[in-house]
Amino acid sequence: AQSVTQLDSHVSVSEGTPVLLRCNYSSSYSPSLFWYVQHPNKGLQLLLKYTSAATLVKGINGFEAEFKKSETSFHLTKPSAHMSDAAEYFCVVSTPGGYNKLIFGAGTRLAVHP
Amino acid sequence: DAGVTQSPTHLIKTRGQQVTLRCSPKSGHDTVSWYQQALGQGPQFIFQYYEEEERQRGNFPDRFSGHQFPNYSSELNVNALLLGDSALYLCASSFGTGGFQETQYFGPGTRLLVL
Repeated sequence: AQSVTQLDSHVSVSEGTPVLLRCNYSSSYSPSLFWYVQHPNKGLQLLLKYTSAATLVKGINGFEAEFKKSETSFHLTKPSAHMSDAAEYFCVVSTPGGYNKLIFGAGTRLAVHP
Repeated sequence: DAGVTQSPTHLIKTRGQQVTLRCSPKSGHDTVSWYQQALGQGPQFIFQYYEEEERQRGNFPDRFSGHQFPNYSSELNVNALLLGDSALYLCASSFGTGGFQETQYFGPGTRLLVL
């Protein structure tokens, strides 16, 4: 069975400093991995996805993530945080045979301070 | 191009009542998935509809049922509401034949409060 663990429930950074949101996954098969962002009272927006092509994936708004099979990790990074990045971030896994059923992590709340 | 839309945005019900939530998929999409997001948690998969049939179901009781119409829109019905059903209900659409790598696009959700 597949699962996702987001290692930090809360992350706080200063504006202009790097962001690192950590995610580990468990899957019996080569998965697809996604990062979604949820701003307050809004739906989920896709930041980026990994689908077995390049292991370094670039997304929107300057975010990127690196798939590391040996570490079963898919950490999300951004070189310089902006106030508008404050939101809830979800790491998500999908595996073959699951009809595109998404399994979500518990989420990481990112706070950005001036 | 309209994205995924959901109605209503908010809903208040009492225990034991029944509720119907609605979703219209993104243009060109034929598959609708429903998720429940309790406060402070990640979304959990309820079920998925493709070609007007329930294709896959998560670990939710039979009180949760759904329907997909020929125009690909979908409804989620919850009977005999419990306090624990209070949550944000999210609808996502995608291409049904895209497989596990396919991106799902989410609507803004319906926030249900059960009193």
